[in-house]
Amino acid sequence: GENVEQHPSTLSVQEGDSAVIKCTYSDSASNYFPWYKQELGKRPQLIIDIRSNVGEKKDQRIAVTLNKTAKHFSLHITETQPEDSAVYFCAAMGFKTIFGAGTRLFVKA
Amino acid sequence: GAVVSQHPSRVICKSGTSVKIECRSLDFQATTMFWYRQFPKQSLMLMATSNEGSKATYEQGVEKDKFLINHASLTLSTLTVTSAHPEDSSFYICSARGNRGLDNEQFFGPGTRLTVL
Repeated sequence: GENVEQHPSTLSVQEGDSAVIKCTYSDSASNYFPWYKQELGKRPQLIIDIRSNVGEKKDQRIAVTLNKTAKHFSLHITETQPEDSAVYFCAAMGFKTIFGAGTRLFVKA
Repeated sequence: GAVVSQHPSRVICKSGTSVKIECRSLDFQATTMFWYRQFPKQSLMLMATSNEGSKATYEQGVEKDKFLINHASLTLSTLTVTSAHPEDSSFYICSARGNRGLDNEQFFGPGTRLTVL
């Protein structure tokens, strides 16, 4: 069946460094790829998204890249701050919505 | 952004009872609502998709007789966990998609934490 693989499961970086999270999807019908940030006990918050007709999108310190041929998409956070610490989920949406397993990001001050 | 509410935010019940969770889109019409379940330290798992006025589509492994979903209007969907057991304890989150935002964009409710004793 369709699935989304997300790596790494845990990521620890020093404040100011960059963080990269990668996802791979299998459903060719997926055409919308959002990234969510979830803090403990709270709802997922959309932080950036990209559509299948775009290769890259940037919003301040956050960027997302998409390689539709390889079915890869990645989240890049630059100049990380302690408040970026959370769990990040990628998702691939088309007819179905499939979430990645999540990446727990720790930003050390 | 669009606002989705969920009620209750937290519920504790005894084993064998039924629990109803409401998901409302407050400022837009939600033609489709999704119900997810999230166990601690795990990802969101899609349980079912409901379209207003029609029967919900359940994901493989989700019992439709145990998790009753009703999407009676463009602003309200309900999930009823029937005869709840401790293994049903989880964080249940709804999301809604409709005439707000971009195509495919979903707006999440705040979630309901269910604890079955």
